[in-house]
Amino acid sequence: QKEVEQDPGPLSVPEGAIVSLNCTYSNSAFQYFMWYRQYSRKGPELLMYTYSSGNKEDGRFTAQVDKSSKYISLFIRDSQPSDSATYLCAMSLYSSASKIIFGSGTRLSIRP
Amino acid sequence: GAVVSQHPSWVICKSGTSVKIECRSLDFQATTMFWYRQFPKQSLMLMATSNEGSKATYEQGVEKDKFLINHASLTLSTLTVTSAHPEDSSFYICSALVARALGTEAFFGQGTRLTVV
Repeated sequence: QKEVEQDPGPLSVPEGAIVSLNCTYSNSAFQYFMWYRQYSRKGPELLMYTYSSGNKEDGRFTAQVDKSSKYISLFIRDSQPSDSATYLCAMSLYSSASKIIFGSGTRLSIRP
Repeated sequence: GAVVSQHPSWVICKSGTSVKIECRSLDFQATTMFWYRQFPKQSLMLMATSNEGSKATYEQGVEKDKFLINHASLTLSTLTVTSAHPEDSSFYICSALVARALGTEAFFGQGTRLTVV
């Protein structure tokens, strides 16, 4: 079993729709949770980060962490064609020297 | 945020030659950097962890003699693909961790697309 599981997609939704991206994980020690966005042929860029359980909102993006279920989500409201990219979840232990574990990434396509 | 610069962004080389890729942390010091490989439409695959002043730690299945890593300073790590073959063609990405009060944050380079012909 992988430490972090993520549906690879592809996921295609119409412009304006709400997108839900999810990951599950097995290591209950993870404390720091991140979402990265990667455009084709570019390095990943940090989109959201959350410490422990709870919600965090930034503009059209909302990150949710449910540690009891070992489940994290990223919601994108009013999706735009420019949101089309691969989204990777990532997580690390509560340590300044922790290696980050990535999900396999979900390819998202927003149809105009 | 912190900036990680990777160079070159793309390179084409002949089979059998070696290629060096640089990863620099521009505005912070990175004692640890990571090297990833990414094949088309696949996720990041960690190749090795680069530690300043010591030997790199390679993931299982990654040939250390083929992928030479040098982390000679706190702002530079290099990956050299030796005796490159067409199957080494891939997108190589480095990252560096920045310690925050509540965990670590990874910043990535722009990636290097290597094509071996």
